[in-house]
Amino acid sequence: GAGVSQSPSNKVTEKGKDVELRCDPISGHTALYWYRQRLGQGLEFLIYFQGNSAPDKSGLPSDRFSAERTGESVSTLTIQRTQQEDSAVYLCASSFRGSPGNEQFFGPGTRLTVL
Amino acid sequence: SQQGEEDPQALSIQEGENATMNCSYKTSINNLQWYRQNSGRGLVHLILIRSNEREKHSGRLRVTLDTSKKSSSLLITASRAADTASYFCATVQTGANNLFFGTGTRLTVIP
Repeated sequence: GAGVSQSPSNKVTEKGKDVELRCDPISGHTALYWYRQRLGQGLEFLIYFQGNSAPDKSGLPSDRFSAERTGESVSTLTIQRTQQEDSAVYLCASSFRGSPGNEQFFGPGTRLTVL
Repeated sequence: SQQGEEDPQALSIQEGENATMNCSYKTSINNLQWYRQNSGRGLVHLILIRSNEREKHSGRLRVTLDTSKKSSSLLITASRAADTASYFCATVQTGANNLFFGTGTRLTVIP
C-alpha cells in the first residue's frame, strides 16, 4: 500500500493561532514518531507512540505541543498559540514495531510557517 | 538536542567520484542509520549498521562503524547527479525509543 501521508503539505498561520497537523502511518505499523526540522537543521524528536502504550513525550518543546493517536492509525499533532519559532517542517514516521532496530518510514512532511 | 554531527557540512564532487561523509555521536548506541533527504522533505532510509558490526555494504553504499571512536562513515562510490541530497546519520541510543539525528551533510554531485 501507500506510504506515510501527512496533511496539509503546507500551512501558513498567524502567530497565536492553533494548528493541527495530521499523519496517516503505513497500515500495520504499530510505532509512530513525530519530528521537527528547522531550516538547514537535522531532525528533532518530538513524540513517539507504540501500540497502546503511553506515548514518549520527552521531546515536546513546551506544553503548547500535544499529540494524539487513535489506536494504531491516524495521529494528530497540535500546536497551540503558535509562535514564529514554531516555523519548521514537521515530519511523521512509522515503523512496523517500535524496537530501536527497525527502519522508520517518513512522510513528506508539513511545512508550517507562522507569520 | 541532536546526538550526532556530520562532517563535512557540505560536499561538492564531480560525477563518478566517490563521496565520503562522516558522523560522530556522543553516547552508547544500539544501532546507527543513514538517511537521505531530498529538497528538505521526507527522508529515505539507506542503511542500518548495528553496534556489533564494523562494516556494511548496500549497492554503491559502504558504511563503517567504530564504536570506540563513536564515529561512522558513509561512502558513496561512483557518484551520480541523482545522489545530490542531504545525508543524515541517526543513532538509536541504548534503551531509547527514537532516532537522534545529526546535522546532515549536503552533497552536490556535478554532472
